[in-house]
Parts: sequence; C-alpha cells; structure tokens
Amino acid sequence: SYVLTQPPSVSVAPGQTATITCGGNNIETKSVHWYQQKPGQAPMLAVHDDSDRPSGIPERFSGSNSGNTATLSITRVEAGDEADYYCQVWIRTPDHAEVVFGGGTKLTVL
Amino acid sequence: QLRLQESHSGLVKPSETLSLTCTVSGGSISTTDFYWAWIRQPPGKGLEWIGSVHTTGSTFYNLSLKTRVSISVETSKNQFSLRLTSVTAADTAVYYCARDPAQNWFAPWGQGTLVTVSS
Repeated sequence: SYVLTQPPSVSVAPGQTATITCGGNNIETKSVHWYQQKPGQAPMLAVHDDSDRPSGIPERFSGSNSGNTATLSITRVEAGDEADYYCQVWIRTPDHAEVVFGGGTKLTVL
Repeated sequence: QLRLQESHSGLVKPSETLSLTCTVSGGSISTTDFYWAWIRQPPGKGLEWIGSVHTTGSTFYNLSLKTRVSISVETSKNQFSLRLTSVTAADTAVYYCARDPAQNWFAPWGQGTLVTVSS
C-alpha cells in the first residue's frame, strides 16, 4: 500500500518560514492536498492540487510537488499557524481507489 | 454556504454496530461529480479515511475496514450514512463527514462526533 511520510514535528520562530514535507514514491505523479487542524477543531483544507489555495487561505501558504516529495511552505509564520498539518492523496489502480493521509506534522511556533 | 453535520452517536458497545448520519445543508447532495466521505481520528492520532460514496451509490472503502463498513446516500433527505459492524475499542475515534469533489480533496468538513466503544 502507498505510504505518505511526514516529519512528526516542525518548529519555527515567528516571522520565519515553515517547511513541512510529505514523502511518497513518485508522489509528483499525484495531486497532493494539505489540511490544517487546530486543537479541538475539524481539519480545514489549506492547499489543494499541489499548490492551489482555497478562498480564504492566506497567500503565505503555498505548496509544491516534485520527485518523491511534496512540500507545504508557510511564510511569515504567525502564532495562529500553530496546528497539525496533514497531506493527502488519492491512489487509483485498475481494481481499486483509496485515500491515503500522511501521519501529520505538528507545527510549533516558538 | 455548504454545511455538514454528523449525528451524535456517543457510546457503542463492543461487537455492536456503529451508525452515523451526515446531514448536508446549503446545497444538494445530488450535485454531479461530488463524493461524500467519512474520515475518523482516534484520540491523539492522525486521520484515517473510512470510505466515500457517490450520489449514484458507487462506493470506495478503506481495504482495512471493507468487511465491516457500509456507506450509503439518501438523496431525498440530503443525507449520507455510515455503518461499521463488530466494533472494538480500536474504533473509538472522532468521526468526520466531508465532501470530496470528484476524488480529490475534502472540503468542507463536519465538526466531528466522538464515538466511544466501551461496555
């Protein structure tokens, strides 16, 4: 089965850039989506299709996808960005389709 | 604005069946090319996709749960439902419903409902 690997935690000072990676075999051939989940809340879509932002998501959030790694970048990090972040893809085979989530990365703003 | 709301289940006994309903408001569940999904999150852990259903009734399930799970849609009520049989403590989680445009991303999400499996 397909596995998405994320670092368990990332720490960054306010105003700096946070980079969260999502590793998967040849992930560049898949559309990667990112979610932000704050404590006690439902996840919220932050980036879809590798690099597109839904309405209402600040331009500080961006994504990229190349080779075996997709990346979520958050520039000018604020205290309010502290949350868990998850990457997600759909895996399609001739017989089956399924969703895979990464294990999640806890972003701590120092 | 589309909103999703999970029904409240609370406590389920081991070996029994977990049943949840997601009510969609602010839009039609019958909109073409949308899937409707269930996703769960055990306490303190990550997200796990359970399965998705299209308004035509076609379904996709997590293979690890496939023998126990059933997801269906009731267009007349603008709802879709989850049934998970033979539950154990490992099924204790917050259960979320969400919309998925054509097997892509999930948005919006319901607020989630905690289901605890315990005798």
